[in-house]
Amino acid sequence: NAGVTQTPKFQVLKTGQSMTLQCAQDMNHNSMYWYRQDPGMGLRLIYYSASEGTTDKGEVPNGYNVSRLNKREFSLRLESAAPSQTSVYFCASSEAHRGGEQYFGPGTRLTVT
Amino acid sequence: AQSVTQPDIHITVSEGASLELRCNYSYGATPYLFWYVQSPGQGLQLLLKYFSGDTLVQGIKGFEAEFKRSQSSFNLRKPSVHWSDAAEYFCAVGSNTNAGKSTFGDGTTLTVKP
Repeated sequence: NAGVTQTPKFQVLKTGQSMTLQCAQDMNHNSMYWYRQDPGMGLRLIYYSASEGTTDKGEVPNGYNVSRLNKREFSLRLESAAPSQTSVYFCASSEAHRGGEQYFGPGTRLTVT
Repeated sequence: AQSVTQPDIHITVSEGASLELRCNYSYGATPYLFWYVQSPGQGLQLLLKYFSGDTLVQGIKGFEAEFKRSQSSFNLRKPSVHWSDAAEYFCAVGSNTNAGKSTFGDGTTLTVKP
């Protein structure tokens, strides 16, 4: 089992460019999440999905969109990147009935210039 | 609303010394509690979890944590720290509702001196 995979690992964008971060899990989990991690600010939830076909906003959704393509895949899109979106992005998955025990991907380090 | 506080932003210990990282939570019912570890450049990995039952839980890499309901705490301990334990540690409180969302503390960075 690969667990949670993310692509790409690194990305540099210019302001205004768009991109999609991909995430996939092979644990048959219903719930998936996107977080961003910035120095001194811990993990902040951007969007989450309780099941295929549903998505909900987290703490910091502005400037992002998501798609739960199927049970395995949950993508995060930046339509018009801004320097404030420079961060490390983590995808995670869990089964809600297990109290939210989460499994994380390795992260995508994004720089917006 | 649930919340997690990790009072120590940064802790330095000598290799071989004992370690305790503090975590306080706020939650309306019996909480689901977790400790995760993040090594540099990597994602978070689950160290241990508390759902119910025995209040002292054992995890990977020789870590343990104790749930104290009266103090709303879930402190992480290790009797003898190794240089490879240098990392960032996150405490989290979870839920079996609302898509299993967890609330994370801001993390504690552990430095290990030789």
